[in-house]
Amino acid sequence: VQLQESGPGLVKPSETLSLTCTVSGGSISTHYWSWLRQSPGKGLEYIGYVYIGATTYYNPSLRSRVTMSLDTSKNQFSLKMTSMTTADTAVYYCARIAVAGEGLWFDSWGQGTLVTVSS
Amino acid sequence: DIVMTQSPDSLAVSLGERATVNCKSSQSVLDNSNNKNYLAWYQQKAGQPPKLLIYWASTRESGVPDRFSGSGSETDFTLTISSLQAEDVAVYYCQQYYTTPPTFGQGTKLEIK
Repeated sequence: VQLQESGPGLVKPSETLSLTCTVSGGSISTHYWSWLRQSPGKGLEYIGYVYIGATTYYNPSLRSRVTMSLDTSKNQFSLKMTSMTTADTAVYYCARIAVAGEGLWFDSWGQGTLVTVSS
Repeated sequence: DIVMTQSPDSLAVSLGERATVNCKSSQSVLDNSNNKNYLAWYQQKAGQPPKLLIYWASTRESGVPDRFSGSGSETDFTLTISSLQAEDVAVYYCQQYYTTPPTFGQGTKLEIK
């Protein structure tokens, strides 16, 4: 399976970030799908996951600002994060959770997309 | 959240020698009901995403060379590369998935001496 992130590389402070992850080589309906980010200051940080039936989990530290959704017709899932600040500047990754219901470890990752928050 | 702490932060090892990375969790990640440690290891090369090496603390992901091994239990874990190859230069991360949110160590940078 291959994953590819897409979305803007530059977001203004207070605006909303929208990212999409396109999954190829496998069905999006069979796994849980996650977003993570990586910055020099915070390292690797888990954002949350989405599954069919609108099942979601969000990191409590980001829960008030994050929404994830899944589009089975396009084999895509997406992330929306509101009220962006410079502290949200990071490389954002989409990833597949290896085995549904077993634990949150990640066996496939997208290449990552750098999101810079700046006016 | 469970805090994962790796040591050392960086490591230089000669080609063909053993490399050892340590990871300590702030609480046990062992589930006594199934005797599984909820810990994974990843390798991240420059400009690339992390790559899964090991899960359940010691189960190698398909396709990962057998020079990579994981050990440990409860709060103390080790990733060992038995004979360092040039392509193993990378940053290595441990990750716990015992509780949500899953959390990662700060990374250990492995270089060739």
